[in-house]
Amino acid sequence: GAVVSQHPSRVICKSGTSVKIECRSLDFQATTMFWYRQFPKQSLMLMATSNEGSKATYEQGVEKDKFLINHASLTLSTLTVTSAHPEDSSFYICSAELGTDTQYFGPGTRLTVL
Amino acid sequence: EDKVVQSPLSLVVHEGDTVTLNCSYEVTNFRSLLWYKQEKKAPTFLFMLTSSGIEKKSGRLSSILDKKELFSILNITATQTGDSAVYLCAAGAGSYQLTFGKGTKLSVIP
Repeated sequence: GAVVSQHPSRVICKSGTSVKIECRSLDFQATTMFWYRQFPKQSLMLMATSNEGSKATYEQGVEKDKFLINHASLTLSTLTVTSAHPEDSSFYICSAELGTDTQYFGPGTRLTVL
Repeated sequence: EDKVVQSPLSLVVHEGDTVTLNCSYEVTNFRSLLWYKQEKKAPTFLFMLTSSGIEKKSGRLSSILDKKELFSILNITATQTGDSAVYLCAAGAGSYQLTFGKGTKLSVIP
Protein backbone atom coordinates (compact mmCIF):
# COMPACT_ATOMS: atom_id res chain seq x y z
CA GLY A 1 0.00 0.00 0.00
CA ALA A 2 0.86 3.73 -0.05
CA VAL A 3 2.27 3.88 -3.55
CA VAL A 4 3.03 7.20 -5.20
CA SER A 5 3.88 7.43 -8.87
CA GLN A 6 5.50 10.21 -10.83
CA HIS A 7 5.54 10.78 -14.54
CA PRO A 8 7.72 11.22 -16.45
CA SER A 9 10.73 9.68 -14.73
CA ARG A 10 13.11 11.56 -16.98
CA VAL A 11 12.66 14.53 -19.30
CA ILE A 12 15.03 16.50 -21.46
CA CYS A 13 13.80 19.77 -22.89
CA LYS A 14 15.04 22.88 -24.58
CA SER A 15 15.46 26.15 -22.76
CA GLY A 16 12.28 28.22 -22.83
CA THR A 17 9.85 25.32 -22.97
CA SER A 18 7.47 24.22 -20.22
CA VAL A 19 7.47 20.82 -18.59
CA LYS A 20 4.66 19.20 -16.63
CA ILE A 21 5.33 16.57 -13.98
CA GLU A 22 2.50 14.47 -12.56
CA CYS A 23 2.34 12.99 -9.10
CA ARG A 24 -0.31 10.40 -8.28
CA SER A 25 -1.20 8.54 -5.13
CA LEU A 26 -2.25 5.17 -6.49
CA ASP A 27 -3.95 3.45 -3.58
CA PHE A 28 -4.91 6.22 -1.22
CA GLN A 29 -6.30 9.73 -1.26
CA ALA A 30 -4.01 12.56 -0.32
CA THR A 31 -5.37 15.91 0.70
CA THR A 32 -1.83 17.20 0.88
CA MET A 33 1.04 16.61 -1.48
CA PHE A 34 4.50 18.09 -1.41
CA TRP A 35 7.00 19.00 -4.10
CA TYR A 36 10.72 18.80 -3.39
CA ARG A 37 13.81 19.55 -5.35
CA GLN A 38 17.09 17.79 -4.85
CA PHE A 39 20.45 18.91 -6.18
CA PRO A 40 23.29 16.40 -6.53
CA LYS A 41 24.62 15.21 -3.18
CA GLN A 42 22.26 17.47 -1.31
CA SER A 43 19.17 16.88 0.75
CA LEU A 44 15.59 17.47 -0.23
CA MET A 45 14.42 21.07 -0.40
CA LEU A 46 10.74 21.66 0.01
CA MET A 47 9.42 23.81 -2.81
CA ALA A 48 5.71 23.93 -2.07
CA THR A 49 2.83 22.31 -0.27
CA SER A 50 -0.10 21.41 -2.46
CA ASN A 51 -3.60 21.13 -1.03
CA GLU A 52 -6.46 19.64 -2.98
CA GLY A 53 -8.85 22.31 -4.15
CA SER A 54 -6.84 25.29 -3.01
CA LYS A 55 -3.76 27.27 -3.95
CA ALA A 56 -0.36 25.82 -3.18
CA THR A 57 1.80 27.29 -0.45
CA TYR A 58 5.27 28.09 -1.73
CA GLU A 59 8.46 28.19 0.28
CA GLN A 60 10.46 31.36 0.45
CA GLY A 61 12.54 31.87 -2.66
CA VAL A 62 10.42 29.61 -4.88
CA GLU A 63 8.78 31.51 -7.72
CA LYS A 64 5.12 30.55 -7.88
CA ASP A 65 4.75 31.86 -11.43
CA LYS A 66 7.60 29.69 -12.58
CA PHE A 67 6.65 26.51 -10.74
CA LEU A 68 2.92 26.13 -11.24
CA ILE A 69 1.25 23.61 -8.98
CA ASN A 70 -2.21 22.22 -9.45
CA HIS A 71 -3.85 19.75 -7.09
CA ALA A 72 -7.04 19.01 -8.97
CA SER A 73 -8.05 15.83 -7.18
CA LEU A 74 -7.24 13.81 -4.10
CA THR A 75 -4.92 11.58 -6.11
CA LEU A 76 -3.22 13.94 -8.53
CA SER A 77 -0.94 16.95 -8.22
CA THR A 78 1.01 18.47 -11.08
CA LEU A 79 4.09 20.66 -11.17
CA THR A 80 4.69 22.69 -14.32
CA VAL A 81 8.10 24.25 -14.78
CA THR A 82 7.42 27.18 -17.07
CA SER A 83 9.99 28.66 -19.41
CA ALA A 84 12.59 26.23 -18.14
CA HIS A 85 16.24 27.22 -18.05
CA PRO A 86 19.37 25.11 -17.53
CA GLU A 87 19.51 26.14 -13.87
CA ASP A 88 16.14 24.43 -13.39
CA SER A 89 17.79 21.10 -14.19
CA SER A 90 17.36 19.00 -11.08
CA PHE A 91 15.69 16.00 -9.53
CA TYR A 92 12.08 16.78 -8.60
CA ILE A 93 10.33 14.54 -6.10
CA CYS A 94 6.75 14.62 -4.93
CA SER A 95 5.29 13.08 -1.83
CA ALA A 96 1.79 12.44 -0.61
CA GLU A 97 0.76 12.55 3.00
CA LEU A 98 -1.00 9.57 4.50
CA GLY A 99 -1.80 10.35 8.09
CA THR A 100 0.03 12.98 10.09
CA ASP A 101 3.63 13.43 9.06
CA THR A 102 3.89 10.22 7.12
CA GLN A 103 4.90 11.11 3.60
CA TYR A 104 5.34 8.59 0.83
CA PHE A 105 7.56 9.65 -1.99
CA GLY A 106 7.23 9.23 -5.70
CA PRO A 107 10.22 7.87 -7.62
CA GLY A 108 11.26 11.33 -8.77
CA THR A 109 11.67 13.07 -12.13
CA ARG A 110 15.07 13.94 -13.54
CA LEU A 111 14.74 17.19 -15.50
CA THR A 112 17.51 18.27 -17.83
CA VAL A 113 17.14 21.60 -19.60
CA LEU A 114 19.47 22.11 -22.54
CA GLU B 1 14.62 28.75 11.66
CA ASP B 2 13.99 25.02 11.90
CA LYS B 3 17.15 22.94 11.63
CA VAL B 4 18.00 19.25 11.40
CA VAL B 5 21.63 18.15 11.60
CA GLN B 6 22.85 14.67 10.81
CA SER B 7 26.18 13.12 11.59
CA PRO B 8 28.39 11.78 10.31
CA LEU B 9 27.95 13.03 6.77
CA SER B 10 29.50 9.87 5.43
CA LEU B 11 30.56 6.53 6.81
CA VAL B 12 32.36 3.51 5.41
CA VAL B 13 32.05 0.17 7.21
CA HIS B 14 32.62 -3.49 6.49
CA GLU B 15 29.85 -6.01 6.15
CA GLY B 16 28.76 -7.28 9.52
CA ASP B 17 29.60 -4.09 11.37
CA THR B 18 27.03 -2.20 13.43
CA VAL B 19 26.51 1.47 12.70
CA THR B 20 24.80 4.30 14.51
CA LEU B 21 23.58 7.34 12.64
CA ASN B 22 22.79 10.52 14.50
CA CYS B 23 20.17 13.19 14.04
CA SER B 24 19.65 16.30 16.13
CA TYR B 25 16.91 18.80 15.58
CA GLU B 26 15.80 22.26 16.56
CA VAL B 27 12.29 22.89 15.36
CA THR B 28 9.35 24.88 16.60
CA ASN B 29 6.30 22.87 17.60
CA PHE B 30 8.01 19.55 17.04
CA ARG B 31 5.67 16.66 16.29
CA SER B 32 7.65 13.74 14.95
CA LEU B 33 11.00 12.50 13.71
CA LEU B 34 11.24 10.44 10.56
CA TRP B 35 13.96 8.34 9.02
CA TYR B 36 14.20 7.60 5.31
CA LYS B 37 16.56 5.53 3.18
CA GLN B 38 17.50 6.97 -0.18
CA GLU B 39 19.22 4.84 -2.78
CA LYS B 40 19.25 5.88 -6.40
CA LYS B 41 15.93 7.58 -6.50
CA ALA B 42 13.36 8.87 -4.02
CA PRO B 43 13.49 8.18 -0.30
CA THR B 44 11.70 5.22 1.21
CA PHE B 45 10.11 5.50 4.60
CA LEU B 46 11.75 3.67 7.52
CA PHE B 47 10.44 4.95 10.84
CA MET B 48 8.34 7.65 12.41
CA LEU B 49 9.01 8.45 16.06
CA THR B 50 6.81 10.58 18.23
CA SER B 51 7.50 9.41 21.78
CA SER B 52 10.73 9.52 23.72
CA GLY B 53 12.45 6.32 24.72
CA ILE B 54 10.36 3.91 22.71
CA GLU B 55 12.49 1.95 20.29
CA LYS B 56 11.10 1.07 16.90
CA LYS B 57 12.52 -1.97 15.14
CA SER B 58 12.35 -3.37 11.69
CA GLY B 59 14.65 -6.30 11.09
CA ARG B 60 18.21 -5.15 11.57
CA LEU B 61 17.22 -1.51 11.81
CA SER B 62 16.10 0.24 14.95
CA SER B 63 15.59 3.82 16.00
CA ILE B 64 14.88 5.77 19.14
CA LEU B 65 14.00 9.36 19.96
CA ASP B 66 15.08 11.52 22.88
CA LYS B 67 12.78 14.54 23.02
CA LYS B 68 14.61 16.02 25.97
CA GLU B 69 17.95 16.07 24.17
CA LEU B 70 16.31 16.71 20.76
CA PHE B 71 18.09 13.73 19.30
CA SER B 72 17.45 10.51 17.47
CA ILE B 73 19.64 7.62 16.40
CA LEU B 74 19.26 5.00 13.74
CA ASN B 75 21.05 1.71 14.36
CA ILE B 76 21.82 -0.87 11.74
CA THR B 77 23.25 -4.17 12.97
CA ALA B 78 25.06 -6.80 10.90
CA THR B 79 25.29 -4.41 7.96
CA GLN B 80 25.04 -5.72 4.42
CA THR B 81 26.10 -4.17 1.13
CA GLY B 82 22.43 -3.56 0.39
CA ASP B 83 22.34 -1.15 3.30
CA SER B 84 24.56 1.24 1.34
CA ALA B 85 22.47 4.37 0.85
CA VAL B 86 21.93 7.88 2.08
CA TYR B 87 19.90 7.93 5.27
CA LEU B 88 17.79 11.02 5.75
CA CYS B 89 16.34 12.29 8.97
CA ALA B 90 13.42 14.72 8.95
CA ALA B 91 11.50 16.57 11.64
CA GLY B 92 7.79 17.23 11.38
CA ALA B 93 6.89 20.52 13.02
CA GLY B 94 4.44 23.40 12.94
CA SER B 95 2.14 22.71 10.04
CA TYR B 96 2.59 19.49 8.13
CA GLN B 97 5.93 20.22 6.56
CA LEU B 98 9.10 18.24 7.05
CA THR B 99 12.54 19.71 7.54
CA PHE B 100 15.23 17.37 6.26
CA GLY B 101 18.82 16.95 7.36
CA LYS B 102 21.58 16.65 4.76
CA GLY B 103 21.77 12.92 5.16
CA THR B 104 24.42 10.39 6.10
CA LYS B 105 25.95 8.47 3.23
CA LEU B 106 26.61 4.92 4.35
CA SER B 107 28.88 2.69 2.31
CA VAL B 108 29.11 -0.97 3.30
CA ILE B 109 32.03 -2.80 1.72
CA PRO B 110 32.28 -6.58 1.47
